Amino acid sequence: GAVVSQHPSWVICKSGTSVKIECRSLDFQATTMFWYRQFPKQSLMLMATSNEGSKATYEQGVEKDKFLINHASLTLSTLTVTSAHPEDSSFYICSALQGDQPQHFGDGTRLSIL
Amino acid sequence: QQQVKQSPQSLIVQKGGISIINCAYENTAFDYFPWYQQFPGKGPALLIAIRPDVSEKKEGRFTISFNKSAKQFSLHIMDSQPGDSATYFCAASEDGGATNKLIFGTGTLLAVQP
Repeated sequence: GAVVSQHPSWVICKSGTSVKIECRSLDFQATTMFWYRQFPKQSLMLMATSNEGSKATYEQGVEKDKFLINHASLTLSTLTVTSAHPEDSSFYICSALQGDQPQHFGDGTRLSIL
Repeated sequence: QQQVKQSPQSLIVQKGGISIINCAYENTAFDYFPWYQQFPGKGPALLIAIRPDVSEKKEGRFTISFNKSAKQFSLHIMDSQPGDSATYFCAASEDGGATNKLIFGTGTLLAVQP
């Protein structure tokens, strides 16, 4: 089956640093990837839609300069949280589309900013 | 109008019982309704999904009931097992279903007691 891998699974860093999260489709090509944010015991909120070779489409209220998304290949999308602060601490999840099949989700990245 | 309302917030069921989770929506353009299961520290996994042209879909112990006129859909888990203990999310999307962005419900934490 389709596998989506996220790396790292957990990261702790100091306030003010930038953190990059990778999302890879391991056994299929994904023209579209999605990035979600999930707070503890809450739902998944879509942050942005990422299409290979083009700029990401951000949801209302999501700062594009804060959350940089790059989808340089059909198997890799990255989310960079720039100048991270404690309020950016969250669980970040990506998903990828394989043709017209349902989205396949990664196992998420837990980001903790000290 | 983009919201998907989910209830209950939490649910405790005895082993062997039936777990029922309900969702309601307003946007009549929604045409794809999946249910996801999420374990702690993991990404959501697709359980079962339905489109508005059918009123019920069953896969193993999981059944979706769909009421188009009421704009409601529900997940039934038959013969609930302790291993089913997880958070369940309903979701909805429009214009192409599985390939479009998902709007998630607020989640239901299910605990199945042995």
